[in-house]
Amino acid sequence: DVKVTQSSRYLVKRTGEKVFLECVQDMDHENMFWYRQDPGLGLRLIYFSYDVKMKEKGDIPEGYSVSREKKERFSLILESASTNQTSMYLCASSLIREKLFFGSGTQLSVL
Amino acid sequence: DQQVKQNSPSLSVQEGRISILNCDYTNSMFDYFLWYKKYPAEGPTFLISISSIKDKNEDGRFTVFLNKSAKHLSLHIVPSQPGDSAVYFCAASAGDMRFGAGTRLTVKP
Repeated sequence: DVKVTQSSRYLVKRTGEKVFLECVQDMDHENMFWYRQDPGLGLRLIYFSYDVKMKEKGDIPEGYSVSREKKERFSLILESASTNQTSMYLCASSLIREKLFFGSGTQLSVL
Repeated sequence: DQQVKQNSPSLSVQEGRISILNCDYTNSMFDYFLWYKKYPAEGPTFLISISSIKDKNEDGRFTVFLNKSAKHLSLHIVPSQPGDSAVYFCAASAGDMRFGAGTRLTVKP
């Protein structure tokens, strides 16, 4: 059974904190993605990676960075959290680029 | 600028009737289109897809139609069931996936 695991279901942080969102997949997928989901805006692509140590910016990379040291793990980093980064964050992986498997999401609140 | 648009935030249908969810896109480079379904507290799950070389793809109760000239696709669910109640996201890809804002479908018993 395929699985994408996000380390936290809910997270509350303060403005200015450094935040790490972790994602692990057990399917040996090459491709991994980070999206955020906001009402009325759908899923917006933040960063993606097609290989270890490789990363590419999506549509809204500002304020975020990523790390992919191992094939199975893709981390999203908020260097200095701000209130407009309060959102649902979804990690996904894929073998074929188009068919994504998503984690359950992390609801991040920045106060 | 959203390249994939779902203009109906919600849709309500009666059990047994047809549900039609619509999606428009602007980028003519998109060559693969998908629908994902999302239940509360879960990540989206893949439902059905269609390549730009086709105009229809069917999988059980779900059919996706693609009109390339109009840059429009739709998802038909027949017959609709209460378990189909979820948020449906349209997605399009030219390598990287872009999603619409989603349509919340409610199927009433």
